[in-house]
Amino acid sequence: GESVGLHLPTLSVQEGDNSIINCAYSNSASDYFIWYKQESGKGPQFIIDIRSNMDKRQGQRVTVLLNKTVKHLSLQIAATQPGDSAVYFCAGANTGNQFYFGTGTSLTVIP
Amino acid sequence: EAGVAQSPRYKIIEKRQSVAFWCNPISGHATLYWYQQILGQGPKLLIQFQNNGVVDDSQLPKDRFSAERLKGVDSTLKIQPAKLEDSAVYLCASSWAGGSYGYTFGSGTRLTVV
Repeated sequence: GESVGLHLPTLSVQEGDNSIINCAYSNSASDYFIWYKQESGKGPQFIIDIRSNMDKRQGQRVTVLLNKTVKHLSLQIAATQPGDSAVYFCAGANTGNQFYFGTGTSLTVIP
Repeated sequence: EAGVAQSPRYKIIEKRQSVAFWCNPISGHATLYWYQQILGQGPKLLIQFQNNGVVDDSQLPKDRFSAERLKGVDSTLKIQPAKLEDSAVYLCASSWAGGSYGYTFGSGTRLTVV
């Protein structure tokens, strides 16, 4: 079945530095991926998405890179701020448009 | 627009008791999902509805879990009887396009079974 996994369960960065969170997926047929941010006591919140016909997509302070050859995607956060502290999940969609989530990376921003 | 509403926010029950969770999706969203998120893990899909019909319930433990969306709007998820391992956050999500542009999640119901 489908699976996605994040490479590091925790990540600590200094405020102002850039953060990179990595994720690997197993299903070559997945054609749509989303990064979600989950703060304590809240549901996952959409950050940025990317489809398999792209290898890079940029948002406000965030960039997602997709490498289909090695089935890997990453989330880059520029100038990380304390408000970015949260758990980040990558999720891949199967052909039924159901999303499968990884285990999450907990990002801590050090002031 | 109003978000996905879920209630209650928290629930503590004893094992073997029953419990129900309620979800009201974003207006106009035809697709509704229930996810289970165990502490320290990512959300796991339990069931997907399209309007009032079940699209996929293959991961729903049907011996104890049930869900319905009778009028194609709000939905309830029930557990009867609850087990200790059911302790988790139950998340509801909805989408207008069957998930092809992602979901919007509610804040979830945190269930503790003691």
